[in-house]
Amino acid sequence: DAKTTQPNSMESNEEEPVHLPCNHSTISGTDYIHWYRQLPSQGPEYVIHGLTSNVNNRMASLAIAEDRKSSTLILHRATLRDAAVYYCILKKETSGSRLTFGEGTQLTVNP
Amino acid sequence: NAGVTQTPKFRVLKTGQSMTLLCAQDMNHEYMYWYRQDPGMGLRLIHYSVGEGTTAKGEVPDGYNVSRLKKQNFLLGLESAAPSQTSVYFCASSVDRAGNQPQHFGDGTRLSIL
Repeated sequence: DAKTTQPNSMESNEEEPVHLPCNHSTISGTDYIHWYRQLPSQGPEYVIHGLTSNVNNRMASLAIAEDRKSSTLILHRATLRDAAVYYCILKKETSGSRLTFGEGTQLTVNP
Repeated sequence: NAGVTQTPKFRVLKTGQSMTLLCAQDMNHEYMYWYRQDPGMGLRLIHYSVGEGTTAKGEVPDGYNVSRLKKQNFLLGLESAAPSQTSVYFCASSVDRAGNQPQHFGDGTRLSIL
Protein backbone atom coordinates (compact mmCIF):
# COMPACT_ATOMS: atom_id res chain seq x y z
CA ASP A 1 0.00 0.00 0.00
CA ALA A 2 1.18 3.53 -0.77
CA LYS A 3 2.16 5.35 2.40
CA THR A 4 1.47 8.87 3.56
CA THR A 5 3.65 11.15 5.67
CA GLN A 6 2.20 13.79 7.97
CA PRO A 7 3.68 15.98 10.70
CA ASN A 8 3.06 14.55 14.17
CA SER A 9 1.53 17.77 15.46
CA MET A 10 0.47 21.27 14.47
CA GLU A 11 -0.87 24.23 16.35
CA SER A 12 -3.24 26.98 15.30
CA ASN A 13 -5.17 29.86 16.78
CA GLU A 14 -8.93 30.01 16.81
CA GLU A 15 -10.53 31.66 13.76
CA GLU A 16 -7.31 31.43 11.74
CA PRO A 17 -6.85 29.19 8.69
CA VAL A 18 -5.04 25.89 9.09
CA HIS A 19 -3.11 24.06 6.40
CA LEU A 20 -2.42 20.39 7.17
CA PRO A 21 0.12 18.84 4.77
CA CYS A 22 0.42 15.26 3.58
CA ASN A 23 3.07 13.68 1.39
CA HIS A 24 2.27 10.61 -0.69
CA SER A 25 5.08 10.30 -3.19
CA THR A 26 4.27 6.66 -4.13
CA ILE A 27 0.62 7.33 -4.93
CA SER A 28 -0.77 5.38 -7.88
CA GLY A 29 -3.08 6.73 -10.55
CA THR A 30 -6.22 5.16 -9.10
CA ASP A 31 -5.65 6.08 -5.44
CA TYR A 32 -8.13 8.50 -3.93
CA ILE A 33 -6.86 10.88 -1.24
CA HIS A 34 -9.11 10.76 1.80
CA TRP A 35 -8.98 12.80 4.99
CA TYR A 36 -10.57 11.75 8.26
CA ARG A 37 -10.39 13.28 11.68
CA GLN A 38 -10.82 11.79 15.12
CA LEU A 39 -12.01 13.88 18.03
CA PRO A 40 -11.18 12.69 21.55
CA SER A 41 -13.11 9.58 22.55
CA GLN A 42 -14.92 9.38 19.22
CA GLY A 43 -14.68 7.33 16.07
CA PRO A 44 -13.01 8.71 12.93
CA GLU A 45 -15.12 11.16 10.96
CA TYR A 46 -14.91 11.54 7.19
CA VAL A 47 -13.81 15.04 6.17
CA ILE A 48 -13.16 15.13 2.43
CA HIS A 49 -11.66 13.21 -0.48
CA GLY A 50 -10.30 13.92 -3.95
CA LEU A 51 -8.58 12.32 -6.93
CA THR A 52 -6.92 15.00 -9.03
CA SER A 53 -8.79 18.28 -8.69
CA ASN A 54 -9.12 20.51 -5.65
CA VAL A 55 -12.29 19.88 -3.67
CA ASN A 56 -14.43 21.96 -1.33
CA ASN A 57 -17.17 20.96 1.07
CA ARG A 58 -18.83 22.46 4.12
CA MET A 59 -16.09 21.19 6.42
CA ALA A 60 -12.86 21.89 4.54
CA SER A 61 -10.99 22.25 1.27
CA LEU A 62 -8.53 19.81 -0.24
CA ALA A 63 -5.71 21.09 -2.41
CA ILE A 64 -3.96 18.42 -4.49
CA ALA A 65 -0.58 19.02 -6.09
CA GLU A 66 -0.44 18.74 -9.85
CA ASP A 67 1.79 15.64 -9.64
CA ARG A 68 -0.47 14.23 -6.85
CA LYS A 69 2.52 13.51 -4.64
CA SER A 70 1.24 15.78 -1.91
CA SER A 71 -1.97 17.34 -0.69
CA THR A 72 -3.11 19.88 1.86
CA LEU A 73 -6.24 19.91 3.97
CA ILE A 74 -7.40 23.46 4.59
CA LEU A 75 -9.64 24.47 7.48
CA HIS A 76 -10.64 28.00 6.63
CA ARG A 77 -11.40 29.19 10.16
CA ALA A 78 -10.30 26.88 12.94
CA THR A 79 -12.56 26.46 15.93
CA LEU A 80 -11.89 24.74 19.25
CA ARG A 81 -14.04 21.87 18.01
CA ASP A 82 -11.53 21.26 15.19
CA ALA A 83 -8.91 20.06 17.68
CA ALA A 84 -8.44 16.44 16.65
CA VAL A 85 -6.10 13.94 15.01
CA TYR A 86 -6.25 14.32 11.23
CA TYR A 87 -5.49 11.32 9.05
CA CYS A 88 -4.50 11.47 5.39
CA ILE A 89 -5.23 8.11 3.74
CA LEU A 90 -4.88 6.74 0.23
CA LYS A 91 -7.86 4.59 -0.70
CA LYS A 92 -7.76 2.00 -3.40
CA GLU A 93 -10.71 0.38 -5.11
CA THR A 94 -9.83 -3.14 -4.00
CA SER A 95 -11.96 -6.05 -2.89
CA GLY A 96 -11.73 -5.01 0.73
CA SER A 97 -11.20 -1.31 0.20
CA ARG A 98 -9.87 -0.90 3.71
CA LEU A 99 -8.49 2.30 5.14
CA THR A 100 -4.87 2.16 6.29
CA PHE A 101 -4.42 4.60 9.14
CA GLY A 102 -1.04 6.09 10.02
CA GLU A 103 -0.43 8.12 13.16
CA GLY A 104 -1.94 11.31 11.75
CA THR A 105 -1.43 14.92 12.77
CA GLN A 106 -2.58 16.10 16.19
CA LEU A 107 -4.05 19.57 15.69
CA THR A 108 -4.19 21.85 18.70
CA VAL A 109 -6.35 24.97 18.45
CA ASN A 110 -5.57 27.76 20.87
CA PRO A 111 -8.36 30.11 22.02
CA ASN B 1 -30.53 8.99 11.45
CA ALA B 2 -28.46 6.77 13.75
CA GLY B 3 -25.73 5.81 11.24
CA VAL B 4 -23.41 3.22 12.81
CA THR B 5 -24.26 2.08 16.33
CA GLN B 6 -21.97 -0.04 18.50
CA THR B 7 -22.93 -1.92 21.66
CA PRO B 8 -21.76 -2.08 24.34
CA LYS B 9 -19.81 1.17 24.76
CA PHE B 10 -17.64 -0.15 27.60
CA ARG B 11 -16.84 -3.61 28.91
CA VAL B 12 -14.39 -5.21 31.31
CA LEU B 13 -13.61 -8.90 30.91
CA LYS B 14 -11.44 -11.40 32.68
CA THR B 15 -8.83 -13.37 30.74
CA GLY B 16 -10.45 -16.37 29.08
CA GLN B 17 -13.99 -14.99 29.01
CA SER B 18 -15.86 -14.62 25.76
CA MET B 19 -18.01 -11.83 24.42
CA THR B 20 -19.59 -10.44 21.29
CA LEU B 21 -19.51 -6.85 20.09
CA LEU B 22 -22.44 -5.73 17.98
CA CYS B 23 -22.37 -3.24 15.14
CA ALA B 24 -25.56 -2.07 13.44
CA GLN B 25 -25.93 0.32 10.52
CA ASP B 26 -29.12 1.79 9.10
CA MET B 27 -27.69 3.12 5.81
CA ASN B 28 -28.16 -0.07 3.77
CA HIS B 29 -24.41 -0.29 3.22
CA GLU B 30 -22.91 -3.41 1.67
CA TYR B 31 -19.46 -3.19 3.25
CA MET B 32 -18.76 -3.36 6.97
CA TYR B 33 -15.48 -3.34 8.88
CA TRP B 34 -14.07 -3.96 12.35
CA TYR B 35 -10.95 -2.03 13.43
CA ARG B 36 -9.04 -1.85 16.67
CA GLN B 37 -7.14 1.16 17.97
CA ASP B 38 -4.41 0.88 20.58
CA PRO B 39 -3.17 3.93 22.54
CA GLY B 40 -1.37 6.49 20.38
CA MET B 41 -1.82 4.48 17.21
CA GLY B 42 -3.97 4.54 14.13
CA LEU B 43 -6.72 2.01 13.46
CA ARG B 44 -5.91 -1.49 12.23
CA LEU B 45 -8.38 -3.64 10.31
CA ILE B 46 -9.43 -6.91 12.01
CA HIS B 47 -12.08 -8.35 9.69
CA TYR B 48 -14.42 -7.02 7.06
CA SER B 49 -17.49 -8.06 5.09
CA VAL B 50 -18.42 -7.25 1.50
CA GLY B 51 -22.04 -8.29 1.90
CA GLU B 52 -24.53 -10.35 3.86
CA GLY B 53 -23.17 -13.82 4.58
CA THR B 54 -19.56 -12.96 3.69
CA THR B 55 -16.52 -12.22 5.85
CA ALA B 56 -12.81 -11.83 5.22
CA LYS B 57 -9.63 -11.37 7.25
CA GLY B 58 -7.97 -8.04 7.64
CA GLU B 59 -4.57 -7.05 9.00
CA VAL B 60 -4.88 -8.43 12.57
CA PRO B 61 -7.53 -11.22 12.58
CA ASP B 62 -6.04 -13.66 15.12
CA GLY B 63 -8.16 -14.24 18.21
CA TYR B 64 -11.34 -12.82 16.64
CA ASN B 65 -14.27 -14.21 14.70
CA VAL B 66 -17.02 -12.36 12.85
CA SER B 67 -20.43 -13.00 11.38
CA ARG B 68 -22.71 -11.08 9.01
CA LEU B 69 -26.01 -12.93 9.12
CA LYS B 70 -28.01 -9.79 8.36
CA LYS B 71 -26.96 -6.97 6.08
CA GLN B 72 -27.35 -4.35 8.77
CA ASN B 73 -25.41 -6.19 11.51
CA PHE B 74 -21.76 -7.18 11.85
CA LEU B 75 -20.72 -9.08 14.96
CA LEU B 76 -17.20 -9.36 16.36
CA GLY B 77 -16.51 -12.23 18.75
CA LEU B 78 -13.72 -12.89 21.20
CA GLU B 79 -13.79 -16.60 22.09
CA SER B 80 -11.13 -16.47 24.81
CA ALA B 81 -10.18 -12.91 25.71
CA ALA B 82 -6.51 -12.07 26.31
CA PRO B 83 -4.98 -8.92 27.85
CA SER B 84 -3.44 -8.12 24.43
CA GLN B 85 -6.96 -7.58 23.14
CA THR B 86 -7.49 -4.61 25.43
CA SER B 87 -8.26 -1.88 22.95
CA VAL B 88 -10.90 0.41 21.51
CA TYR B 89 -12.91 -1.31 18.78
CA PHE B 90 -14.49 0.64 15.95
CA CYS B 91 -17.00 -0.54 13.42
CA ALA B 92 -17.43 1.15 10.05
CA SER B 93 -19.57 0.77 6.96
CA SER B 94 -19.49 1.98 3.37
CA VAL B 95 -21.73 1.83 0.34
CA ASP B 96 -19.28 -0.26 -1.67
CA ARG B 97 -15.59 -0.69 -2.36
CA ALA B 98 -15.18 2.27 -4.72
CA GLY B 99 -12.23 4.48 -3.94
CA ASN B 100 -14.42 7.57 -3.71
CA GLN B 101 -16.74 6.12 -1.07
CA PRO B 102 -16.13 7.20 2.52
CA GLN B 103 -16.42 4.92 5.52
CA HIS B 104 -18.78 5.84 8.33
CA PHE B 105 -17.64 4.97 11.84
CA GLY B 106 -19.34 4.24 15.13
CA ASP B 107 -18.18 5.76 18.41
CA GLY B 108 -16.35 2.66 19.55
CA THR B 109 -16.40 0.00 22.23
CA ARG B 110 -13.78 0.35 24.94
CA LEU B 111 -12.75 -3.12 26.04
CA SER B 112 -10.45 -3.97 28.94
CA ILE B 113 -9.19 -7.49 29.57
CA LEU B 114 -7.86 -8.13 33.06
